[in-house]
Amino acid sequence: AQKVTQAQTEISVVEKEDVTLDCVYETRDTTYYLFWYKQPPSGELVFLIRRNSFDEQNEISGRYSWNFQKSTSSFNFTITASQVVDSAVYFCALRGGGSNYKLTFGKGTLLTVNP
Amino acid sequence: DAMVIQNPRYQVTQFGKPVTLSCSQTLNHNVMYWYQQKSSQAPKLLFHYYDKDFNNEADTPDNFQSRRPNTSFCFLDIRSPGLGDAAMYLCATSRESAGRIYEQYFGPGTRLTVT
Repeated sequence: AQKVTQAQTEISVVEKEDVTLDCVYETRDTTYYLFWYKQPPSGELVFLIRRNSFDEQNEISGRYSWNFQKSTSSFNFTITASQVVDSAVYFCALRGGGSNYKLTFGKGTLLTVNP
Repeated sequence: DAMVIQNPRYQVTQFGKPVTLSCSQTLNHNVMYWYQQKSSQAPKLLFHYYDKDFNNEADTPDNFQSRRPNTSFCFLDIRSPGLGDAAMYLCATSRESAGRIYEQYFGPGTRLTVT
């Protein structure tokens, strides 16, 4: 069975602070895929990043960075110099290899960035 | 510019009155998904179509049906909505091929209210 744990239910920061959202996963698949999605109050899930299990390279995209560590089964997401527009629910998700198309989502972390 | 379109954005229906939600996509993706998301919860996969092949999740109630008349459109039919079916319904698409995994792109969702 696959499982994604986002232990932080809610995080509140002040604008310009850095914030890290934690994601820990469980899977028996040797090949798997990890994703982060952002869900602003409007409701649409916005794709942020996909990471394959065989690629542990960390990634930076502007103020966003992701730290993938297979040894600890974690795929953490850091926002540098947070902005009010970053306020949203962030979901980490896992998908196994092969023809199983199901995404297993964590419960999400509500990030509130205050001015 | 919109890639995954859902209509209507808000739908109110009466208890027991059939309702249909629609989804269309301009991405020409071969897989389409329907998710149910209740307040403060993660999205839950109801079913998906791989091309014309329908794949139902084991715990999806029989009350929920789907149709995919062509590549671009997919419908979610709720035959007899109950109060517990009030939720956001998200449509997603992805491009799948042998050996390659891609991210899912989500529409803005339809918020269903049952009175």
